[in-house]
Amino acid sequence: EVQLVESGGGLVQPGGSLRVSCAASGFTFSSYWMHWVRQAPGKGLVWVSRINSDGSSTNYADSVKGRFTISRDNAKNTLYLQMNSLRAEDTAVYYCVREPPNSNEYFDYWGQGTLVTVSS
Amino acid sequence: SYVLTQPPSVSVAPEQTARITCGGNNIGRKSVHWYQQKPGQAPVLVIYYDSDRPSGIPERFSGSNSGNTATLTISRVEAGDEADYYCQLLDRSSDHWVFGGGTKLTVL
Repeated sequence: EVQLVESGGGLVQPGGSLRVSCAASGFTFSSYWMHWVRQAPGKGLVWVSRINSDGSSTNYADSVKGRFTISRDNAKNTLYLQMNSLRAEDTAVYYCVREPPNSNEYFDYWGQGTLVTVSS
Repeated sequence: SYVLTQPPSVSVAPEQTARITCGGNNIGRKSVHWYQQKPGQAPVLVIYYDSDRPSGIPERFSGSNSGNTATLTISRVEAGDEADYYCQLLDRSSDHWVFGGGTKLTVL
């Protein structure tokens, strides 16, 4: 069974940093492209970032480019999102999401999310 | 960047048909995917590549895409279908994955 379990969320002050993680199991993690998608309280889904299977290629939404860094450790089956220079508008549930094999267009499995709150 | 437009809400009586639209410039030339999100839960894929259903999704869920509008259709709506629904596509011009604003489906 595919499982994606996020952790590391919490309360951080504006301008601060936080790293969230996603532990993957039930599939060959190193073969899949992975994403982070976020959802502000009461708002819609917003794509944040994507990383390819070996970590050599990444993409970012304009709103986080230069502040967030996506990475992965295939030996540990773990996906990361390092978030720096955090702003109030970064407050959201952050979901770890998997692309299916043979397609980079949509997402077939989602974690339950971890809440990041940016506030003083 | 590419914009997807959904109605904020759709209401339907049980056993009736719900249609949720997703508008975009020449969206019919792109592949559209749909997710269902119930309160407090993560999204679940219900339709991919315009009209394909993942295993485990009831046949009552179907999709279409043409011109400037993609549509998610839910037949014989049940109380358990009450949720937020999001359309999504890959904007290849920017290599960004785009979501619509979401539609809240209310079962009367």
